[in-house]
Amino acid sequence: GESVGLHLPTLSVQEGDNSIINCAYSNSASDYFIWYKQESGKGPQFIIDIRSNMDKRQGQRVTVLLNKTVKHLSLQIAATQPGDSAVYFCAYAGYSTLTFGKGTMLLVSP
Amino acid sequence: KAGVTQTPRYLIKTRGQQVTLSCSPISGHRSVSWYQQTPGQGLQFLFEYFSETQRNKGNFPGRFSGRQFSNSRSEMNVSTLELGDSALYLCASSFDRGHTEAFFGQGTRLTVV
Repeated sequence: GESVGLHLPTLSVQEGDNSIINCAYSNSASDYFIWYKQESGKGPQFIIDIRSNMDKRQGQRVTVLLNKTVKHLSLQIAATQPGDSAVYFCAYAGYSTLTFGKGTMLLVSP
Repeated sequence: KAGVTQTPRYLIKTRGQQVTLSCSPISGHRSVSWYQQTPGQGLQFLFEYFSETQRNKGNFPGRFSGRQFSNSRSEMNVSTLELGDSALYLCASSFDRGHTEAFFGQGTRLTVV
């Protein structure tokens, strides 16, 4: 069945570094992906999305890359800040559902 | 404009009781979805409502139910609570049924004792 998974459960970086969070998916029919950020005690916050007809999409300090050949998704955060510390989820949007990965904890040290 | 509002934020119930959680979506949004988040299972889809109709349901027992009102506000109900129902219950709203840019509320933390 469908699954969306993450390679690394925890990622520790220094402030100012670039961060890369990875995600693998198994459903080759997936056509819409979303990255969410969840801070402690809060609900997931939409970061950026990408459709399967794109390979790359950029936002403010964030870039999502989609490699359909190997079914891999990544989120790049430039100049990581302590406020970026959170759990990051990739998700596949189906007909009316979101299938989430397990999440990656990003820890940013000052 | 106001975001997604979930009430209550915290709830403690005993086994066997039932509970009702409320979600008010962003103004103008007609799709409301519910998710259960636990450390072990992560975020799991419960159900989705659009224009007062349940359009999709996740793999949860019939003790979990929901409804949506004409103003798009939604409630979910869990009957005969079990310890394993302890979780963060999240509501997400979006303009349409496609889950594009779904916005989440802060969640209701349910503890069953």
